[in-house]
Amino acid sequence: ETGVTQTPRHLVMGMTNKKSLKCEQHLGHNAMYWYKQSAKKPLELMFVYSLEERVENNSVPSRFSPECPNSSHLFLHLHTLQPEDSALYLCASSQIRTGNTIYFGEGSWLTVV
Amino acid sequence: AQSVAQPEDQVNVAEGNPLTVKCTYSVSGNPYLFWYVQYPNRGLQFLLKYITGDNLVKGSYGFEAEFNKSQTSFHLKKPSALVSDSALYFCAVRINTGGFKTIFGAGTRLFVKA
Repeated sequence: ETGVTQTPRHLVMGMTNKKSLKCEQHLGHNAMYWYKQSAKKPLELMFVYSLEERVENNSVPSRFSPECPNSSHLFLHLHTLQPEDSALYLCASSQIRTGNTIYFGEGSWLTVV
Repeated sequence: AQSVAQPEDQVNVAEGNPLTVKCTYSVSGNPYLFWYVQYPNRGLQFLLKYITGDNLVKGSYGFEAEFNKSQTSFHLKKPSALVSDSALYFCAVRINTGGFKTIFGAGTRLFVKA
C-alpha cells in the first residue's frame, strides 16, 4: 500500500495522441517529483515541484509538460511522444527538508506506438 | 562531481546465506544516504536511510546498512537471505545543488536461489 497513487497504471498511446498521467499523494508532503525509469538506464529525475512551484527541470523535452495545481496533485501531460519515451514513469513526494525520504508511487507504464 | 555508484549489476546468493549489495558515493559535505527496493512491476519502496549517528542503520524486512566514511561506502546487508528478497535495489544520495536533489545509482538486481 502506498501513500502516493498514480493513474493510469498502464497506458498505450500513439505518437499523435495527447494523454496525461496523474499522481496524488496522501502524505501531507510539500514537494512532488516525476522520474523516468527506462530499461538499463539510471533513474532520471524529470521535474521537481516544491510548494507547487517548479524548481527543477532537467532538460526534459517540451513534449512532456508537468502541472502541479496543489500540493497533493501532480500531472504529466504527454503530447506527440516518440517510441523511445516508452518507460515507467514514477511519481514521488517528500517534505522539503534535508535528508527527508522520498516516497514513490507504483508507477505508470507508458508504451508509445 | 557528486555521484553514487553500484558496482554490481547483479548479485546471486543462496537462501539462508548472508547478502551484501554494494554502494559507494561521492558528495561534498555530509552525505544523506538511502536504500530503496523495487519488486517487479512496482514502484520503489524505502528501506532505510543514514543521516547521522550510528554507522549501522537498521531498516525494513531485516535489512541493514553500514555507513563507512573513510571508504565512502554504504553497503546494504542482510544476515540471512530469503527468496522473496529477490528484487532490484537502488542506493541513493541526497546532494546539495543549490536546492536538494536525490540521485540514484543504476540499481543492483539481487537473485536469491532456494
